[in-house]
Amino acid sequence: DAGVIQSPRHEVTEMGQEVTLRCKPISGHNSLFWYRQTMMRGLELLIYFNNNVPIDDSGMPEDRFSAKMPNASFSTLKIQPSEPRDSAVYFCASSFPSGLQETQYFGPGTRLLVL
Amino acid sequence: DQQVKQNSPSLSVQEGRISILNCDYTNSMFDYFLWYKKYPAEGPTFLISISSIKDKNEDGRFTVFLNKSAKHLSLHIVPSQPGDSAVYFCAATFQGAQKLVFGQGTRLTINP
Repeated sequence: DAGVIQSPRHEVTEMGQEVTLRCKPISGHNSLFWYRQTMMRGLELLIYFNNNVPIDDSGMPEDRFSAKMPNASFSTLKIQPSEPRDSAVYFCASSFPSGLQETQYFGPGTRLLVL
Repeated sequence: DQQVKQNSPSLSVQEGRISILNCDYTNSMFDYFLWYKKYPAEGPTFLISISSIKDKNEDGRFTVFLNKSAKHLSLHIVPSQPGDSAVYFCAATFQGAQKLVFGQGTRLTINP
């Protein structure tokens, strides 16, 4: 069974360039989460979707960040323009309703370096 | 404002001994807590959780303790094994909620 798939696994870009991160959730999961991991702040939730609809984007740092989920099997996180402080590991996770508390399944992450 | 804090960035333990990882939280409304484990180049994976109605939850070598009055939880691993070397993230949420608040993580190294 394929887990959460993220691409690319590594991205190096120059400041000012547009960056697009991609995620395919586990089939049958109806919730999708985007996280950012940094040394200082650990794992931060950026945005999450239920049934392709954005529910909470309060963690999105600023207008340079945007996320979409056009269908149940695909989501993108876009940074435009990118800045060096955006360098981090970005994780996508998915889950499905299962009683009181859902378990989130994480992808392997995209390591982004903005020069 | 960091609502969930893991104050030890790293911890080194000898194989066979007990590993204790600590986590503090500031929001007294949190009522469900989780630990995730992360290996290099992989995403975090769920390890164990505890509801605020309990003060202890055990699963094999892993036990999580919750002290609500101190707003503190800990993960005990005994005995520690080399395969336990990883980064451990503590997370807190509200029962039934989807939004998890994570700490910064603690890197655990088990020495042979």
